[in-house]
Amino acid sequence: ETGVTQTPRHLVMGMTNKKSLKCEQHLGHNAMYWYKQSAKKPLELMFVYNFKEQTENNSVPSRFSPECPNSSHLFLHLHTLQPEDSALYLCASSQRLAGDSGANVLTFGAGSRLTVL
Amino acid sequence: EDQVTQSPEALRLQEGESSSLNCSYTVSGLRGLFWYRQDPGKGPEFLFTLYSAGEEKEKERLKATLTKKESFLHITAPKPEDSATYLCAVKAAGNKLTFGGGTRVLVKP
Repeated sequence: ETGVTQTPRHLVMGMTNKKSLKCEQHLGHNAMYWYKQSAKKPLELMFVYNFKEQTENNSVPSRFSPECPNSSHLFLHLHTLQPEDSALYLCASSQRLAGDSGANVLTFGAGSRLTVL
Repeated sequence: EDQVTQSPEALRLQEGESSSLNCSYTVSGLRGLFWYRQDPGKGPEFLFTLYSAGEEKEKERLKATLTKKESFLHITAPKPEDSATYLCAVKAAGNKLTFGGGTRVLVKP
């Protein structure tokens, strides 16, 4: 496989469930990101990892817990979510951090569509 | 705070009817402006990066331009396969890209 792969593509969960989203990149990139895309709202950055170390947490509620065991894999653990957390969750990677001098391009996965009942 | 505003929100075009999408931005020290295309059920796909006012980039029927306050994405003689949501994002200092709300383009045959 090539590119950025996200699983599952669709997930329905109750507010008391615990689930995880998985992201895997086969591009040899060093930075990985979680974004949230809600209807009629701009993409919101959630977390940034660079060489497995978290470099940014964009004031995300603790019911979202990221994990980056290596530069190729990124997880988003979900627990006690609210209906307003229903959205498309996008994973992305880049060769180096997007903020480093010199712009850097993000490669996105297809997303995990989450519905919280 | 960095801000990015895209207009219009939605655009319906007939095949062959050229048009332009606007991305207005307010940032402190622009390091790059990005255009992405997003098809339904897919993640955004990179199109262009522009770095300085006056710069232009082209790819097939798309041409992106940049001024000190805004960027335009011109679609020349669009085809139905150009139907997508087009996203603009800006990078200032730091590690954060700020995205606009996107423009949904529908090209009818």
